[in-house]
Amino acid sequence: NAGVMQNPRHLVRRRGQEARLRCSPMKGHSHVYWYRQLPEEGLKFMVYLQKENIIDESGMPKERFSAEFPKEGPSILRIQQVVRGDSAAYFCASLYRNSGANVLTFGAGSRLTVL
Amino acid sequence: DQQVKQNSPSLSVQEGRISILNCDYTNSMFDYFLWYKKYPAEGPTFLISISSIKDKNEDGRFTVFLNKSAKHLSLHIVPSQPGDSAVYFCAASSLTRDDKIIFGKGTRLHILP
Repeated sequence: NAGVMQNPRHLVRRRGQEARLRCSPMKGHSHVYWYRQLPEEGLKFMVYLQKENIIDESGMPKERFSAEFPKEGPSILRIQQVVRGDSAAYFCASLYRNSGANVLTFGAGSRLTVL
Repeated sequence: DQQVKQNSPSLSVQEGRISILNCDYTNSMFDYFLWYKKYPAEGPTFLISISSIKDKNEDGRFTVFLNKSAKHLSLHIVPSQPGDSAVYFCAASSLTRDDKIIFGKGTRLHILP
């Protein structure tokens, strides 16, 4: 997982605060995915971004959640006015092609705890 | 609607024996399947994959089998080792439709000494 860098690894927020999670993909990769893993659940797709573009955000909650991947700098997943149900591990991944197919390389994740 | 299903939340296997993890999918547009392994407090790591044009792919102790007619795939690990204890996620994607990769809920594998 060394290639995809996520920070912070752990983030604690009180209800109503904002959480910002950052992801730097592997060098040369311009596609970033965000997944969320709730306790005892699998990995749920949230959003897929290219540089400066959101390609698919069908998994993002309609309110309070946003994501960006600017031309310079990391991708950011932003959660406004956090609630306890947002407590989860958030994984970022960058995409590479393996024999024409898509393979994701994941970061170590950011664990958000909402008090 | 869960498109990728792993119906066994956990599995215990004796060290040295074969571990078989199962996965079912519902979307016939999926044409590429992957298995990921995840240790606690780490991100998932890619293990092995298979294209829908094949029915078997082998890599060392790991073999993935695909039964397209049954929409079923399985991961075989033989012989199982203590370091194989982890959560295994099955994932699927459609290369022709979009680049979204859908994951199952995972199966926790315990290798018993």
